[in-house]
Amino acid sequence: SQTIHQWPATLVQPVGSPLSLECTVEGTSNPNLYWYRQAAGRGLQLLFYSVGIGQISSEVPQNLSASRPQDRQFILSSKKLLLSDSGFYLCAWSPGLAGGASEQYFGPGTRLTVT
Amino acid sequence: GNSVTQMEGPVTLSEEAFLTINCTYTATGYPSLFWYVQYPGEGLQLLLKATKADDKGSNKGFEATYRKETTSFHLEKGSVQVSDSAVYFCALSGSGGSYIPTFGRGTSLIVHP
Repeated sequence: SQTIHQWPATLVQPVGSPLSLECTVEGTSNPNLYWYRQAAGRGLQLLFYSVGIGQISSEVPQNLSASRPQDRQFILSSKKLLLSDSGFYLCAWSPGLAGGASEQYFGPGTRLTVT
Repeated sequence: GNSVTQMEGPVTLSEEAFLTINCTYTATGYPSLFWYVQYPGEGLQLLLKATKADDKGSNKGFEATYRKETTSFHLEKGSVQVSDSAVYFCALSGSGGSYIPTFGRGTSLIVHP
């Protein structure tokens, strides 16, 4: 069966510090990968998605970046965090062979607080 | 572009009441439709799905029917429990061959004993 992991689960970082959140998927190959942010009491905002190694599409211009160094690894980074980067970050995957029509499977999330 | 509109919450019900959460969509082509549920502090979980018109998705007592003529995918449950308290998201994907799903803003459900 497939599983998705995210870490850390919670993170408190000062403004201006760097960020690295990691997501890994097990039990599948060539998944589509996604990073979302969810502000308190708000819906989901798609940040990045990837359909293959090294292929990253950005949906929102901001101080965040994403990388996919391996097939089942997706990393969200920032060089300098802003207060507005606080939120709940969710990684998700969907089967690559299904194109875009499949359901998504979400990780447990990372709660980021920028102070 | 694609869009998903959900009724605003919170929806507050007593245990064993009937639940309906409305969802309508705008999309090109023939997307797949989904309901996800998010419990406090957790990621989203797929609740049910439908991939073509008139399909009915069902799971854990929840149901939703893909209505193409009304572009709707309303979520229903006959008798809610306290444990159903969560945020529910309607979503679509596969419209026009895009890899990008479209989510509604979510509807919070609160069930009182």
